[in-house]
Amino acid sequence: NAGVTQTPKFQVLKTGQSMTLQCAQDMNHNSMYWYRQDPGMGLRLIYYSASEGTTDKGEVPNGYNVSRLNKREFSLRLESAAPSQTSVYFCASSEGGPARGDTQYFGPGTRLTVL
Amino acid sequence: AQSVTQLDSHVSVSEGTPVLLRCNYSSSYSPSLFWYVQHPNKGLQLLLKYTSAATLVKGINGFEAEFKKSETSFHLTKPSAHMSDAAEYFCVVSGRGSTLGRLYFGRGTQLTVWP
Repeated sequence: NAGVTQTPKFQVLKTGQSMTLQCAQDMNHNSMYWYRQDPGMGLRLIYYSASEGTTDKGEVPNGYNVSRLNKREFSLRLESAAPSQTSVYFCASSEGGPARGDTQYFGPGTRLTVL
Repeated sequence: AQSVTQLDSHVSVSEGTPVLLRCNYSSSYSPSLFWYVQHPNKGLQLLLKYTSAATLVKGINGFEAEFKKSETSFHLTKPSAHMSDAAEYFCVVSGRGSTLGRLYFGRGTQLTVWP
């Protein structure tokens, strides 16, 4: 039982390049989330998926797109990377729907640098 | 609306002395509250969770937190700090109602433990 896994662990992009961050969970959770972490800001929600087939914007969605590929996988795409997107990205999952306030379990993170 | 304020950005203690990390929250609903810990270059790990069952919540590694509705506080304590407790700690409130699926993170408290 690996929990929540993320790939890659590290990535360096040039401004304007695109990339997709991958996330998978093996806990049969219904809900999945993408956050970014910046110094002194805590974690901020980018997008979430309450259930397979649905996605919703979070606090800071601009410049990102997401795909809930199936129940296990939730990817985050940067279409045209900008230096402001340099951050650490965390994927998380929870068992129940968001309204239940269930515990979210986090992956190890992806450190992204945009030059 | 939900929000979280961690009252100290840095806390330093000596090994073997008590730890107190302070958190105040604002919530329009009966909240779920969490403390997460993040060790350097690692993901977030759940320390403990409050969901209205008991006001004193015991977590892992000897940590506990007390929910005080009258003070809108959820402070994290540990009787005796250990060097391995040095990390960043996040107080989190779960959104309900119109903010489904949202976790609201405080900005974090960096705990330093001196030998």
